[in-house]
Amino acid sequence: DVKVTQSSRYLVKRTGEKVFLECVQDMDHENMFWYRQDPGLGLRLIYFSYDVKMKEKGDIPEGYSVSREKKERFSLILESASTNQTSMYLCASRQDREAATNEKLFFGSGTQLSVL
Amino acid sequence: QKEVEQDPGPLSVPEGAIVSLNCTYSNSAFQYFMWYRQYSRKGPELLMYTYSSGNKEDGRFTAQVDKSSKYISLFIRDSQPSDSATYLCAMSAHSGSARQLTFGSGTQLTVLP
Repeated sequence: DVKVTQSSRYLVKRTGEKVFLECVQDMDHENMFWYRQDPGLGLRLIYFSYDVKMKEKGDIPEGYSVSREKKERFSLILESASTNQTSMYLCASRQDREAATNEKLFFGSGTQLSVL
Repeated sequence: QKEVEQDPGPLSVPEGAIVSLNCTYSNSAFQYFMWYRQYSRKGPELLMYTYSSGNKEDGRFTAQVDKSSKYISLFIRDSQPSDSATYLCAMSAHSGSARQLTFGSGTQLTVLP
């Protein structure tokens, strides 16, 4: 089974801190994604990556950046954390964007981030 | 108006009941439809995937798509306490494009023993 591991389950940070959220997948997937999940708003895509060192903005990239130096690892960075970034952050991976019916995303268990 | 609307619930049913979960959408270009199940303190996992209109059955689960009404449903027969979770619908216009994948906000389901 695919395993997507997020480094922290719960994280508490102060406003203005730089925050790193780490995600590792063990199935050699090309595509990796970062979402945030908020009550009533569903999952919203922050950034995604189709390959090492490649990244593309999702729907809500402001205040975030990402890094993908190795295929298995995709990091989300909050340059200067703010209270409105308190949320559940979900990392996901998928095998290949060109596969016609390969819509299946594999998600990690999430990191609940609180910014005080 | 959101592109995908989903009743957040919570929905509580007795064990053995038939459950109907629904989403409506406004984008007529959507043609790939998914249901994800999310247990408490876990990430979502893909439950059902359908293309265009029609029904798809997998065990106790049936996914139904009505593109003319822009309405999709997930039916759970003989519901079990282990079905207690949040169910998220998701849809896209293009295959293989998670960038255009739009999620509903989720319906929280509790099946009481």
